[in-house]
Amino acid sequence: EVQLVESGGGLVQPGGSLRLSCAASGFTFSSYWMHWVRQAPGKGLVWVSRINSDGSRTTYADSVKGRFTISRDNAKNTLYLQMNSLRAEDTAVYYCARGEGQPDMDVWGKGTTVTVSS
Amino acid sequence: QSVLTQPPSASGTPGQRVTISCSGSRSNIGNYYVYWYQQLPGTAPKLLIYRNNQRPSGVPDRFSGSKSGTSASLAISGLRSEDEADYYCAAWDDSLGGVFGGGTKLTVL
Repeated sequence: EVQLVESGGGLVQPGGSLRLSCAASGFTFSSYWMHWVRQAPGKGLVWVSRINSDGSRTTYADSVKGRFTISRDNAKNTLYLQMNSLRAEDTAVYYCARGEGQPDMDVWGKGTTVTVSS
Repeated sequence: QSVLTQPPSASGTPGQRVTISCSGSRSNIGNYYVYWYQQLPGTAPKLLIYRNNQRPSGVPDRFSGSKSGTSASLAISGLRSEDEADYYCAAWDDSLGGVFGGGTKLTVL
């Protein structure tokens, strides 16, 4: 079964850091671009970042550029999102998703919740 | 304010045809494919339409997508109660990266 499972969410103070993980199974992880998308409580979807299949190309939304870093370990079939200098407005459910270069995400995880609050 | 503009709500009765619009600009919809997602309450989004008008396997042919210039639309025919959900359009943008519409909440009356 094709599956993505996020982990690493939690409560963190403003200015703190968190690393999210996304474990992939059931498909050839190293063949796909991967994306992170977030959704604040009661709000819409927001694209956060993407990484190409070998990890050599990354792109970020302006709102997280310089603070978040996307990476992947194809040997471990795992995608990461390192989040630094967290702000209250980063509070959201974070989804990882499989896709290609454009936001054509055909497999999604269930999400992990990040809460930034003092 | 989202880069792609969708109506916040839409509604219809069972069996009806409903359309949801998505308006952008040359830097996104005008240059790139449009994608549509369905998000049922409390669940992750699901890809409904890719490359403007293609349906992934398993998506009923009641759902169709189209694009013209800098706008796109999602049509749902033969509306069913289980179609009640939030719908989002998405595209790539030359400057901003991935962009989503603000979402349309579809109510089946």
